[in-house]
Amino acid sequence: GQQLNQSPQSMFIQEGEDVSMNCTSSSIFNTWLWYKQEPGEGPVLLIALYKAGELTSNGRLTAQFGITRKDSFLNISASIPSDVGIYFCAGWVIAGGTSYGKLTFGQGTILTVHP
Amino acid sequence: DSGVTQTPKHLITATGQRVTLRCSPRSGDLSVYWYQQSLDQGLQFLIQYYNGEERAKGNILERFSAQQFPDLHSELNLSSLELGDSALYFCASSVGPRDQPQHFGDGTRLSIL
Repeated sequence: GQQLNQSPQSMFIQEGEDVSMNCTSSSIFNTWLWYKQEPGEGPVLLIALYKAGELTSNGRLTAQFGITRKDSFLNISASIPSDVGIYFCAGWVIAGGTSYGKLTFGQGTILTVHP
Repeated sequence: DSGVTQTPKHLITATGQRVTLRCSPRSGDLSVYWYQQSLDQGLQFLIQYYNGEERAKGNILERFSAQQFPDLHSELNLSSLELGDSALYFCASSVGPRDQPQHFGDGTRLSIL
């Protein structure tokens, strides 16, 4: 099945630093998504990318859909304590010959921000 | 608040038992997705329903089943529970059958003793 390799597994940074994480796959995806999960809550969609090469920002977050459709990165600029959480990449593909899609999640990046 | 409601928040039961997890999707969403989150497997897609009909199946065990009712709420039934079924179970919803799951509930934490 499809697998996503997300790195790094964890990051410990100082408040104010920039953060970068990425996902790669051997499979092509139609859409890349980035979610954030905080303790006791479900994942929250941060950014969705629909076209190869697309670069999208959401506040201090910037994400890109790789040209090959097999990778994506997420950058967080000027991190703050509330950025703490687990960040997941996810790849969405429409199953061939069907009218539905499947979402495959990466293993997550645990972000810790020290004030 | 995602608008997706899951009950109960916590469930503790024993091996061999059967439980039902409930999900009410965000208002206006017709698609419901179920995911299992565990430390070793991460977030795994289980099953999707759209407007009452099963749309897609993922890594769902035969001991598990789901349905979506006319009012669009969904239930995930887990039977003959094993220790390895202990996990967080999330429901997500979206408008259409081909849409990515946009809104996740806060999950049900299932603990098998």
